[in-house]
Amino acid sequence: NAGVMQNPRHLVRRRGQEARLRCSPMKGHSHVYWYRQLPEEGLKFMVYLQKENIIDESGMPKERFSAEFPKEGPSILRIQQVVRGDSAAYFCASSLGGGVNTEAFFGQGTRLTVV
Amino acid sequence: KQEVTQIPAALSVPEGENLVLNCSFTDSAIYNLQWFRQDPGKGLTSLLLIQSSQREQTSGRLNASLDKSSGRSTLYIAASQPGDSATYLCAVRSYAGNMLTFGGGTRLMVKP
Repeated sequence: NAGVMQNPRHLVRRRGQEARLRCSPMKGHSHVYWYRQLPEEGLKFMVYLQKENIIDESGMPKERFSAEFPKEGPSILRIQQVVRGDSAAYFCASSLGGGVNTEAFFGQGTRLTVV
Repeated sequence: KQEVTQIPAALSVPEGENLVLNCSFTDSAIYNLQWFRQDPGKGLTSLLLIQSSQREQTSGRLNASLDKSSGRSTLYIAASQPGDSATYLCAVRSYAGNMLTFGGGTRLMVKP
């Protein structure tokens, strides 16, 4: 049973380009979470999704950022018109469900560098 | 809004010492608490999960306790080794929102 898979591991984009980050949850997991870790800072929640639904996007910047988790395929975090401040490590986690006794498992992250 | 604090922010100890990492949270309405380890440039590895109804969990040389009413958890590492050097993160899953809220981490260095 493979763990949470994120790709690419490293992504370089020029200012103004689009970045697409992919996350395949662990097999059988239907809950996906995206977090951002800025250099020398902690992990900040961005968005919580279940299949085809956004449950909580309170941590997402209002502009340029969007996320989806389609019925088939990986979850996608999309950043349009990237700026230097978007450079960070983006982590995806998945869990079997929500609530009590649900352990979250994290991927290795995608490190985005905007030049 | 849930806030999680970890003390100390950094810790350097000689090999073989027993040590305690602290985590506190402001809202006791939580489902569970997880401790993670993060190595530089890597992802997060789950170490221990404590449900809100539990007081502690153990895995090898690691022991985590939870006092939900006072909003505190500790991670005890016995007989520390250089390979334990990493950043340790505490995260709580709150009733509100159902996502994990992380502390800032404790950066541990175990010297040979």
